[in-house]
Amino acid sequence: IAGITQAPTSQILAAGRRMTLRCTQDMRHNAMYWYRQDLGLGLRLIHYSNTAGTTGKGEVPDGYSVSRANTDDFPLTLASAVPSQTSVYFCASSDSYTDTQYFGPGTRLTVL
Amino acid sequence: GNSVTQMEGPVTLSEEAFLTINCTYTATGYPSLFWYVQYPGEGLQLLLKATKADDKGSNKGFEATYRKETTSFHLEKGSVQVSDSAVYFCALRRYGGATNKLIFGTGTLLAVQP
Repeated sequence: IAGITQAPTSQILAAGRRMTLRCTQDMRHNAMYWYRQDLGLGLRLIHYSNTAGTTGKGEVPDGYSVSRANTDDFPLTLASAVPSQTSVYFCASSDSYTDTQYFGPGTRLTVL
Repeated sequence: GNSVTQMEGPVTLSEEAFLTINCTYTATGYPSLFWYVQYPGEGLQLLLKATKADDKGSNKGFEATYRKETTSFHLEKGSVQVSDSAVYFCALRRYGGATNKLIFGTGTLLAVQP
């Protein structure tokens, strides 16, 4: 069982470019999340999805969009990247009826 | 609103020293509390959790007790090892929230020297 996979592992991107970060889980969890991790700020929730077909905004959603077409995949898109979106991005998932969230290995994104 | 405050690092200890990382929270209702650990180059892993007052979470020699009277969930370990070097995050989930989302503290870097 792989758990949660994220791709790419790292990426350097020019400002203004479009970028999609991929996240796939094989645990059949209903809920999925995207966080960004910044030094001194901890992890902040960008978007979440309680179940396939639904999404919601977290603390810092501006500049990001998500979709949840099926249970396994939860891509995060930056429509037009800006340098302030330089961060490490973590995808997570959880079963709807428990608290435990399982995290992917992260994607390090640098926007120049 | 809901928030988590944890002690700033880095915390540098010698092997076999006693560890305490302080965590306090602000929340309405009765949140569940968590400690996550992030080893270098990896994602976060759940270390332990407690879901109600006076519960003690424990794992890998780490412990934390849910103290409602002091709104605290301090992480302790009696004898740290070099392999415990990591970033530790305290987090809460408020029961009854619209979604199962976690609110994290800023993280505390622990460096254990041999």
